[in-house]
Amino acid sequence: DIEMTQSPSSLSASVGDRVTITCRASQTVGSHLNWYMQQPGKPPKLLMYSASSLQTGVPSRFSGTGSGTDFTLTIDSLQPEDFATYYCQQSYTTPRTFGQGTKLEI
Amino acid sequence: QVQLQQWGAGLLKPSETLSLTCAISGGSFSGYFRTWIRQPPGGGLEWIGEIKHTGDISYNPSLKSRATISVDSSEDKFSLKLTSVTVADTAVYYCARAVGGATDYWGPGTLVTVSS
Repeated sequence: DIEMTQSPSSLSASVGDRVTITCRASQTVGSHLNWYMQQPGKPPKLLMYSASSLQTGVPSRFSGTGSGTDFTLTIDSLQPEDFATYYCQQSYTTPRTFGQGTKLEI
Repeated sequence: QVQLQQWGAGLLKPSETLSLTCAISGGSFSGYFRTWIRQPPGGGLEWIGEIKHTGDISYNPSLKSRATISVDSSEDKFSLKLTSVTVADTAVYYCARAVGGATDYWGPGTLVTVSS
């Protein structure tokens, strides 16, 4: 299986800050990397697919970069609704593994 | 507006079989992957398996062949069966629709608790 490692595991920030979350794959996944946001008690929501493509309806303050094994998710100008847990997922091969999550707290 | 609904038993005893069904409304699974994902309480996400629009099925080897995903004849429903459950299978189970592996629509989740 491809192991996905996110850092940091948790992150404290304030409204208006810019934050970056990283995701590293144990082997190349090309650009087959997706980012999700999950708020407590809700299913995850797709933010980015193919590493850098913004899902329809997702605000443009979210952006993603990377290819191969190293990826980043950046959130510009944090809004109150952005405080949640973020997961990366590789869709290069099965099983489609997720990172362990990054909890973004105020 | 695409919505996924899911249903099934929420309380099982060890060794029983988990059975969940998922249906789509406001859209279709045509051209998409039908996927099951689970999340233990307070834990991360684990991909269980998928049926591609081609009919190809893949499972997570960690489930040791206990999982079966099938599609209803109407093609707008699909199901998950997980045999010989243990307390370690306690989780919120999500059905989802995926495009190329990226999951764009999720069901609300079903909490399945395994307890004697």
